[in-house]
Amino acid sequence: GENVEQHPSTLSVQEGDSAVIKCTYSDSASNYFPWYKQELGKRPQLIIDIRSNVGEKKDQRIAVTLNKTAKHFSLHITETQPEDSAVYFCAASTSGGSNYKLTFGKGTLLTVNP
Amino acid sequence: DAGVIQSPRHEVTEMGQEVTLRCKPISGHNSLFWYRQTMMRGLELLIYFNNNVPIDDSGMPEDRFSAKMPNASFSTLKIQPSEPRDSAVYFCASSLSGGVDEQFFGPGTRLTVL
Repeated sequence: GENVEQHPSTLSVQEGDSAVIKCTYSDSASNYFPWYKQELGKRPQLIIDIRSNVGEKKDQRIAVTLNKTAKHFSLHITETQPEDSAVYFCAASTSGGSNYKLTFGKGTLLTVNP
Repeated sequence: DAGVIQSPRHEVTEMGQEVTLRCKPISGHNSLFWYRQTMMRGLELLIYFNNNVPIDDSGMPEDRFSAKMPNASFSTLKIQPSEPRDSAVYFCASSLSGGVDEQFFGPGTRLTVL
């Protein structure tokens, strides 16, 4: 089955700096790569996603890049703010017929210091 | 829409007792997912339903766990008998269609088995 590795497990930055989180996946058939943000004690929520037919997607201060050849994708947050502090999860979705299954990375705890 | 609804929000029980967790997905969503989250293992998919039919239950840890979806608006996850290692936050999520659409998570049920 799919295996998703996520690095780093923790990341601390100063407010205003950029943060980058990287993920690799094992199944070359994976075609959907979402990123979820989970604040302390809250539920995961989708912040951005990318599909295998594009290499990069941006939404304000957040961008995701995808390299299908190398089987890795990354989340980039620019001009970080204290409210960006949370756990971020990457995921990859593979399909086996009608079975589309999301496999999550272990998460990255991002701390933005004021 | 009220979003995905889960109950109870917190459950404390003793080892050996039966535990039933409940979920109401977002109306119109065809797919429902049960996840378990722990510090050690991260976010794990337990089982996934599509149009009320279980598609993938490979993540269900053992026979003590069972899940049902009798109709499009209700699902249960049952643990019988419960063990201390089952202590975790259990999330239910729903999406329009499978693992290639945004998944909307419920608030979770924090289960503690003493």
